[in-house]
Amino acid sequence: GAVVSQHPSRVICKSGTSVKIECRSLDFQATTMFWYRQFPKQSLMLMATSNEGSKATYEQGVEKDKFLINHASLTLSTLTVTSAHPEDSSFYICSARDPSSGIGELFFGEGSRLTVL
Amino acid sequence: AQSVTQLDSHVSVSEGTPVLLRCNYSSSYSPSLFWYVQHPNKGLQLLLKYTSAATLVKGINGFEAEFKKSETSFHLTKPSAHMSDAAEYFCVVSDSGNQFYFGTGTSLTVIP
Repeated sequence: GAVVSQHPSRVICKSGTSVKIECRSLDFQATTMFWYRQFPKQSLMLMATSNEGSKATYEQGVEKDKFLINHASLTLSTLTVTSAHPEDSSFYICSARDPSSGIGELFFGEGSRLTVL
Repeated sequence: AQSVTQLDSHVSVSEGTPVLLRCNYSSSYSPSLFWYVQHPNKGLQLLLKYTSAATLVKGINGFEAEFKKSETSFHLTKPSAHMSDAAEYFCVVSDSGNQFYFGTGTSLTVIP
């Protein structure tokens, strides 16, 4: 199946700093990628839909200025957590669909564990 | 509107016994249905998918699921649990576009 790579897998930062997480589709072109946040022992919460070459679509309640999403190419989307605070600590996961698959299942990255001190 | 209900938040089975993880959905369209598995601190891995072909779908690692339209169910089964099956399982339903709806997840424990 298609492969989605997410980096870094773990990051620790100080409060007030910004952190960038990358999501790459390795063997297909993804016009759309999705960013999720997952709290312990909970399901995935969709944060935003990233569209190549245009602005991301954010879900209700997600701060656009806090969580900056850029989808500059067909294989790369980035999530930047700006001015991070301890409450932003979480597990962030990206996913993408392979348009050529015809079935439309999502392929997920390995996730990024963010810890803000 | 579409939604997914995973009926059990936690399932515990003994190694070598059958696994049943339940999923019910509601959908206004002919849905695509998926089961994913998530191990701790990892992303989600596709186990199997239903896309209006055969109603009994076979996936990886011995898992299978049966689409029952009359019951709006898509339960995941495995004849014999292995220790490595211990993980979180998510049932997901999708329309024909970019909308995916996740269940709340079922945590599977396998007792040696």
